[in-house]
Amino acid sequence: NAGVMQNPRHLVRRRGQEARLRCSPMKGHSHVYWYRQLPEEGLKFMVYLQKENIIDESGMPKERFSAEFPKEGPSILRIQQVVRGDSAAYFCASSPPGTSGGSKYFGPGTRLTVT
Amino acid sequence: QKEVEQNSGPLSVPEGAIASLNCTYSDRGSQSFFWYRQYSGKSPELIMFIYSNGDKEDGRFTAQLNKASQYVSLLIRDSQPSDSATYLCAVNRKGGSEKLVFGKGTKLTVNP
Repeated sequence: NAGVMQNPRHLVRRRGQEARLRCSPMKGHSHVYWYRQLPEEGLKFMVYLQKENIIDESGMPKERFSAEFPKEGPSILRIQQVVRGDSAAYFCASSPPGTSGGSKYFGPGTRLTVT
Repeated sequence: QKEVEQNSGPLSVPEGAIASLNCTYSDRGSQSFFWYRQYSGKSPELIMFIYSNGDKEDGRFTAQLNKASQYVSLLIRDSQPSDSATYLCAVNRKGGSEKLVFGKGTKLTVNP
C-alpha cells in the first residue's frame, strides 16, 4: 500500500518564478494537509483540503499561495512569484475520512530552493 | 505563550538508557496528541498517539498524557543509536479543523 506521494522531491526556482508542488494521498484517504518547515523551525500548518473543498486555509500566506484538491488527480500547492523566504521543505499529509482527531501520515516532502 | 512547547535539547543519553521527552500545550480544548520522529532531511514519521489520560505503551515507546497539567511525554526504553532524531510533539484541537499544531521538536542523541 503506497504511502503519501509528493513530487518533485527537490525543486529549484529563481525569484519571481512559479512553484507547483503535488501531493497524492494514501489510498483511501480523502483529507490532505500541507505543512511548511523552514530551516531549524517546526512544522507550520498551511491548509487542509478535502476533495474539491478548502476546509481550513488559516495558515496560508495571504498572497501568492494557493492550494487545490480536484476531484481527479493530486492536490497542488502553488506559489506564485517565489521569493527567497519561500525556501523550505513542504510536506503533505493525509488521513482517511471519518477520523476526527486521527493520525496524519506524511509524505517525503518537496524541498524548494529559491535562488 | 506558545501553543506547543518542547525543550529543544539536544538531549543526550547513553545506549540502553531511558530517554524522556516532554511537551506542554496551552489549549485546554486539545483532544489528540501525537509524537513524530524526524530524521535529518526526512519527513516526520508517526510513532505514537494518545487520546486519554494515562499511559499508552507500544514496544519500547510509552506515551503519557496528563490533561489537567496539559502535559504529554514520550519515554523511549532501551534507547538505541538509531533512535537519534528530532522528536516532534503535535496536538489536535477538539472541534477544530483537524490541523495539527507542532512543537519545534527535541533533538535526541543516543551515544553508543
